[in-house]
Amino acid sequence: EAEVAQSPRYKITEKSQAVAFWCDPISGHATLYWYRQILGQGLELLVQFQDESVVDDSQLPKDRFSAERLKGVDSTLKIQPAELGDSAMYLCASSLAGIEQYFGPGTRLTVT
Amino acid sequence: KQEVTQIPAALSVPEGENLVLNCSFTDSAIYNLQWFRQDPGKGLTSLLLIQSSQREQTSGRLNASLDKSSGRSTLYIAASQPGDSATYLCAFDRGSTLGRLYFGRGTQLTVWP
Repeated sequence: EAEVAQSPRYKITEKSQAVAFWCDPISGHATLYWYRQILGQGLELLVQFQDESVVDDSQLPKDRFSAERLKGVDSTLKIQPAELGDSAMYLCASSLAGIEQYFGPGTRLTVT
Repeated sequence: KQEVTQIPAALSVPEGENLVLNCSFTDSAIYNLQWFRQDPGKGLTSLLLIQSSQREQTSGRLNASLDKSSGRSTLYIAASQPGDSATYLCAFDRGSTLGRLYFGRGTQLTVWP
């Protein structure tokens, strides 16, 4: 069964360092989402791609976060510099037609 | 701002009980609604998707219903098992934004043997 892949699964970094997460969606899924889940809170959409284009990045802290999906397939989310408040689970999801979303296992980020 | 409320926030029950988890939303423009399961430290697993023209979906011991007029969805779990222990999240989309989901904070379920 096809799955969304994410790496790394866990990342510990020091404040002010740069960190990057990778996501490989299910083959053929044109829509890709990055969500952030802070412990005890709901999921927050950071950025949404349709193929290689950004559809929604209204909640992305653009002073430190960036996301790209250059060939419309896999995607990278970067944080530079990382802050303590960035500690969270970062989840990637993909969708074929924008209806049902399939999630990856997530990357647990701890900023020290 | 979209708002999704899930009640209760936590639930602890003995094995075998039938459960109802509630999800309410303030947005009248809800299109599709999806229920997810999240195990500790893991990603989300889709359980049931109720599309815009539907009112309920069933999968095994799970049944989800959607009443847009009252702004509510319920997830019914029959004959609960310890393996059902997880956090259950509901989320909806508005149809027009390529499936952007708006999530509740979840109900943390513990089923003890």
